[in-house]
Amino acid sequence: DTAVSQTPKYLVTQMGNDKSIKCEQNLGHDTMYWYKQDSKKFLKIMFSYNNKELIINETVPNRFSPKSPDKAHLNLHINSLELGDSAVYFCASRGQWNTGELFFGEGSRLTVL
Amino acid sequence: KQEVTQIPAALSVPEGENLVLNCSFTDSAIYNLQWFRQDPGKGLTSLLLIQSSQREQTSGRLNASLDKSSGRSTLYIAASQPGDSATYLCAVEADSWGKLQFGAGTQVVVTP
Repeated sequence: DTAVSQTPKYLVTQMGNDKSIKCEQNLGHDTMYWYKQDSKKFLKIMFSYNNKELIINETVPNRFSPKSPDKAHLNLHINSLELGDSAVYFCASRGQWNTGELFFGEGSRLTVL
Repeated sequence: KQEVTQIPAALSVPEGENLVLNCSFTDSAIYNLQWFRQDPGKGLTSLLLIQSSQREQTSGRLNASLDKSSGRSTLYIAASQPGDSATYLCAVEADSWGKLQFGAGTQVVVTP
C-alpha cells in the first residue's frame, strides 16, 4: 500500500494550459505539503495544509492554487502554465504540523513545451 | 537566511567501505534535521530524523550525528552495499512548521 501517492506521475503539456496534480495519503496524517524540485535538483516548499487549513504559502505565483478537500488529499492546480513551471512536484505528509518525519510521494514530473 | 551545503556532491566507493556524508548549515537555530535517500525517478525516503536536542540517531547500518553549534551533521553508512547507491539529501527545519531547507544532495555510487 502506497503511503503517499500522486497522480499523474508524468505530465507533458503546452504553455498556457491548465493542469492539476492530485495527492492522497493513507497514513492518517494531519499535515500535507507540496514541494518543487527544479532542474538543479533543489527542493523547495510551496504550500502546506494542516487539517485542510493553509499554514504555509511560500512566494509562489498566483497561478498555483492548492486545494485540500479533506486532510487525506491535497491537490495542486496550475493555471496558464509557463516553461519555467517544468519541474518535479512532490507531495509529502506528516503526522502533526509541528513534529515528526516527512513522508514523500514519488513525484509528478511536469514538462511544459 | 539558512543555507544547507552537502559535500561532496558525488562519491564513489567500493562495496564494503564505510560511507561518510557531510551536511553543513549556516544558522544553528534549527528545530530538527532529517536525512533522506532519493533513488532516480523516485520520491524521497526518510532515513533518520534528529531533533535539535539530540546528538545522534541510529538505524541499522546508518548513524547520523548532529552538532548544532558548528552547524554540521554527518551521515555514516557502515559496510556499504551496491543497493546503497542513491542520492542522499539532508534537510534542516528552522521552525516547527515542516518547512524543510534542503541541501543539493550527495550522489553515491557503490561499486561491486
